Amino acid sequence: DAGITQSPRHKVTETGTPVTLRCHQTENHRYMYWYRQDPGHGLRLIHYSYGVKDTDKGEVSDGYSVSRSKTEDFLLTLESATSSQTSVYFCAISESNSGNYEQYFGPGTRLTVT
Amino acid sequence: AQSVTQPDIHITVSEGASLELRCNYSYGATPYLFWYVQSPGQGLQLLLKYFSGDTLVQGIKGFEAEFKRSQSSFNLRKPSVHWSDAAEYFCAVGSPGTYKYIFGTGTRLKVLA
Repeated sequence: DAGITQSPRHKVTETGTPVTLRCHQTENHRYMYWYRQDPGHGLRLIHYSYGVKDTDKGEVSDGYSVSRSKTEDFLLTLESATSSQTSVYFCAISESNSGNYEQYFGPGTRLTVT
Repeated sequence: AQSVTQPDIHITVSEGASLELRCNYSYGATPYLFWYVQSPGQGLQLLLKYFSGDTLVQGIKGFEAEFKRSQSSFNLRKPSVHWSDAAEYFCAVGSPGTYKYIFGTGTRLKVLA
């Protein structure tokens, strides 16, 4: 299994509070991704990173920001959480140099915004 | 724009029966194609992938998938389903060179004993 951890694994927070989710990898992979998973929508890309300090938006980036100050960590921040951001969040990594384009996923973070 | 369609939200099969999960994509060229499986409360695990070459690809757990360019499809198959195959299955498309991926909405498989 790829070395990907997510923290916290579960979080309940109130509307309007800031929340930061962390993804940590031990694989030294270049690409890191944040997805949210909601019933009927599958996985939707929030943001991704193609290197340290290099990030780009996905299809559902509104209300989210990310940072990547070192290769192994990719942080997702909800500046002011809303109930519509209740979801399961998955981090993924991938590496292009080896010719493998598949993604490896973390175990997920279940976030509830009340 | 790219898109992925999994037309079946739920599928129920009996243990030992054959399985086919459908995936259709929209993309201008040949994309990278993937199938992932997700067990309840877990992350996603790669079953198989297609980049180029032989259009019939073999994966883990006895699964296979066939890329059909003319039908823009990448259907997942298994000759004999086991109860442990009950899970949600996702098809995904990647754009060569962009490292971005689009996922289908998933098909939830139920296996009857």
